Amino acid sequence: KAGVTQTPRYLIKTRGQQVTLSCSPISGHRSVSWYQQTPGQGLQFLFEYFSETQRNKGNFPGRFSGRQFSNSRSEMNVSTLELGDSALYLCASSDGTVNTEAFFGQGTRLTVV
Amino acid sequence: AQSVTQLDSQVPVFEEAPVELRCNYSSSVSVYLFWYVQYPNQGLQLLLKYLSGSTLVKGINGFEAEFNKSQTSFHLRKPSVHISDTAEYFCAVSVPDSSYKLIFGSGTRLLVRP
Repeated sequence: KAGVTQTPRYLIKTRGQQVTLSCSPISGHRSVSWYQQTPGQGLQFLFEYFSETQRNKGNFPGRFSGRQFSNSRSEMNVSTLELGDSALYLCASSDGTVNTEAFFGQGTRLTVV
Repeated sequence: AQSVTQLDSQVPVFEEAPVELRCNYSSSVSVYLFWYVQYPNQGLQLLLKYLSGSTLVKGINGFEAEFNKSQTSFHLRKPSVHISDTAEYFCAVSVPDSSYKLIFGSGTRLLVRP
């Protein structure tokens, strides 16, 4: 069974631009979570979507947003990019039950210049 | 709120030696506990998890961890490491509520030397 697919793998954007990242979960999974990984702050939870509804949100500014489609694919958007948004963005897929395993994609490496 | 502390940022060890990676957590409610591994340029892979029951949990690749409620710890151990175990290891907790949110520690880089 196919794993979690994140596209693109690498992205370079200019400060002030906006960016959209995509995540296709494992077939049958209805929960998609997003995490930001940086050397300074480590792995931080951004938000979780379940059946097209945001169930939980981390402590990030409103420039970070997301959505989930009826086929469970999810996108996250970052507007007005800042240099500090450079990070590895990881998506995790699960069936939505907290005691089951979350499967992570390989991530999208975003560089803001 | 919950937090996770991994005291060791890097642990060097020789091949075939035992290793322990330390993890302590803080929470006012019961939590689930996880260990994930990240290889270079990869996502995270689950090694093992503790939900309830036996405090000794066995995972993949010969790893095991022991939950200690009184010390709020969940240390990861392997009796004999291989070069291929070189990676970043993350301890994480989640609260058994209605959403799936992992809170991660800062990570420990395991460096296995020949």
